[in-house]
Amino acid sequence: GQNIDQPTEMTATEGAIVQINCTYQTSGFNGLFWYQQHAGEAPTFLSYNVLDGLEEKGRFSSFLSRSKGYSYLLLKELQMKDSASYLCAGVDSNYQLIWGAGTKLIIKP
Amino acid sequence: NAGVTQTPKFRILKIGQSMTLQCTQDMNHNYMYWYRQDPGMGLKLIYYSVGAGITDKGEVPNGYNVSRSTTEDFPLRLELAAPSQTSVYFCASSSTGEYNEQFFGPGTRLTVL
Repeated sequence: GQNIDQPTEMTATEGAIVQINCTYQTSGFNGLFWYQQHAGEAPTFLSYNVLDGLEEKGRFSSFLSRSKGYSYLLLKELQMKDSASYLCAGVDSNYQLIWGAGTKLIIKP
Repeated sequence: NAGVTQTPKFRILKIGQSMTLQCTQDMNHNYMYWYRQDPGMGLKLIYYSVGAGITDKGEVPNGYNVSRSTTEDFPLRLELAAPSQTSVYFCASSSTGEYNEQFFGPGTRLTVL
């Protein structure tokens, strides 16, 4: 079966660094997306990885290990506005996105 | 560009009623999708379309229908609404189905009582 696992909730402090992990099992693999979703809003694109390694984009970085079926999203210099849910989605052999349930990130001052 | 727009934003239906959720995109994207998102759950694909006149079922199509007569519009029809269809519905679009980010509409919050 196809499955995406990520922690339900995480808490971090403003200004700190947090890493949100995601493990995936998909039938075939054509990349992995990270989206951010603020409460009551639509998901918005953060990153896409298809090759192993780290992709850095400002305060956010995303890592992929295809051999381990593992990805993480790294958020640096946390700001209160980073409080949101972070959704991991794997792309299967039919190019459909298989979504995780999301990780709710709570930032404390 | 308005991106992806959805109407209505909120709706309450009685069991057995029908309704159409509207979705329009102005980015000339070929691919369009309908998802539902239940509390604490991931997005589930209901239907998708790779172009005008072509639609296909996703993971949870039962109780829904779609049509795609134009590139811009992708309405979702609920027939005989049931409480299990209470959810937030998101429409999304992308320029291709491969390696391409999906752009989401603001969502429709539907309650069936």
